[in-house]
Amino acid sequence: NAGVTQTPKFQVLKTGQSMTLQCAQDMNHNSMYWYRQDPGMGLRLIYYSASEGTTDKGEVPNGYNVSRLNKREFSLRLESAAPSQTSVYFCASSGGASGRDIYNEQFFGPGTRLTVL
Amino acid sequence: DAKTTQPPSMDCAEGRAANLPCNHSTISGNEYVYWYRQIHSQGPQYIIHGLKNNETNEMASLIITEDRKSSTLILPHATLRDTAVYYCIVRVAYSGAGSYQLTFGKGTKLSVIP
Repeated sequence: NAGVTQTPKFQVLKTGQSMTLQCAQDMNHNSMYWYRQDPGMGLRLIYYSASEGTTDKGEVPNGYNVSRLNKREFSLRLESAAPSQTSVYFCASSGGASGRDIYNEQFFGPGTRLTVL
Repeated sequence: DAKTTQPPSMDCAEGRAANLPCNHSTISGNEYVYWYRQIHSQGPQYIIHGLKNNETNEMASLIITEDRKSSTLILPHATLRDTAVYYCIVRVAYSGAGSYQLTFGKGTKLSVIP
């Protein structure tokens, strides 16, 4: 099992460019998440998907859109990148959905390091 | 979710037990205590969680005080590979939007010294 995979590992964008961060999990988990981590800070939730076909905003959703393509894949899109979006982005998944197994641990990917100039 | 307070940094000698404290004085009865760690530049890794009883697994032990206002994560024999930032997180345990979010603070940076 690869667990949670993310692509790309590194990306440099210019202000105003767009890009999509890809995330996939092979653990048959129902829930998936996107976090960002700024230097010296903890992680902050951007969006999550409790189950296939649903998405919800987290703590810092502005400037981002997400797509739960299927049960395995959850993508994060920056439509018009800004320097404030320079960060490390982590995708995570967990088994819980609809209140069942809600205390399941979250499994994290290796992260995408994004710099916006 | 209840807020947590952790010391910003701690040192521990290799081979000794590392005891990482966490204060969560406003914890509610339906909130669990979770611990994650993040080794440099990697994604966070789940360690352990508990409600009110002490818990142990292959990685660590979690001691929760009787009033549940604080807890301690114990790494019984710290190694250099345990050097990481450790996050104590309190999370509700009910069905609903809040049950999916982990709120990470700044955590405790544990340095294991040879």
